[in-house]
Amino acid sequence: SQQGEEDPQALSIQEGENATMNCSYKTSINNLQWYRQNSGRGLVHLILIRSNEREKHSGRLRVTLDTSKKSSSLLITASRAADTASYFCATDLLKAAGNKLTFGGGTRVLVKP
Amino acid sequence: SQTIHQWPATLVQPVGSPLSLECTVEGTSNPNLYWYRQAAGRGLQLLFYSVGIGQISSEVPQNLSASRPQDRQFILSSKKLLLSDSGFYLCAWSLETQYFGPGTRLLVL
Repeated sequence: SQQGEEDPQALSIQEGENATMNCSYKTSINNLQWYRQNSGRGLVHLILIRSNEREKHSGRLRVTLDTSKKSSSLLITASRAADTASYFCATDLLKAAGNKLTFGGGTRVLVKP
Repeated sequence: SQTIHQWPATLVQPVGSPLSLECTVEGTSNPNLYWYRQAAGRGLQLLFYSVGIGQISSEVPQNLSASRPQDRQFILSSKKLLLSDSGFYLCAWSLETQYFGPGTRLLVL
């Protein structure tokens, strides 16, 4: 199975609600990154959290990392219709050449107005 | 500031025809470069990456090849396209985080 796997695969919420998605991985990492992809577009980097960090914030985004459980979560607070997108976690593995990232399958988020 | 360009945006090609997708980066030097393929509704599969001119690493055996003739140019090619080559192709550059181009949607008929 993939290094990074997101859960749930799809999420539907009302505008104003919070959205939480999780990512699990299998091997040791340098860092874990979250990206957003609007339909048919390229990916946009959201947050990078390093292996020695436990929590990071950026605007309405909050990311946690638990290296003992090899898992991360992305929380979007007070969601907006514009947050509708697919969200991917990606891991930068220890000893991986070229800063390669391994992407999960993504969580599709639908925010209903 | 850095920008990344990919073209074409959309391409429809017959089976057996050649392919050349181009990616260029501006505003940075000696970036790592990547080619990904994304099937509909799925995650990204890394196809190739490059840490320098002429240095290409292939991640999966396939019908495609990549070249990096200049520091900020990355080309994805095929001599004969297969139906299974259809997908959304993304180029990215990085120093640490990755920055993606707008993608090329390829349909092989």
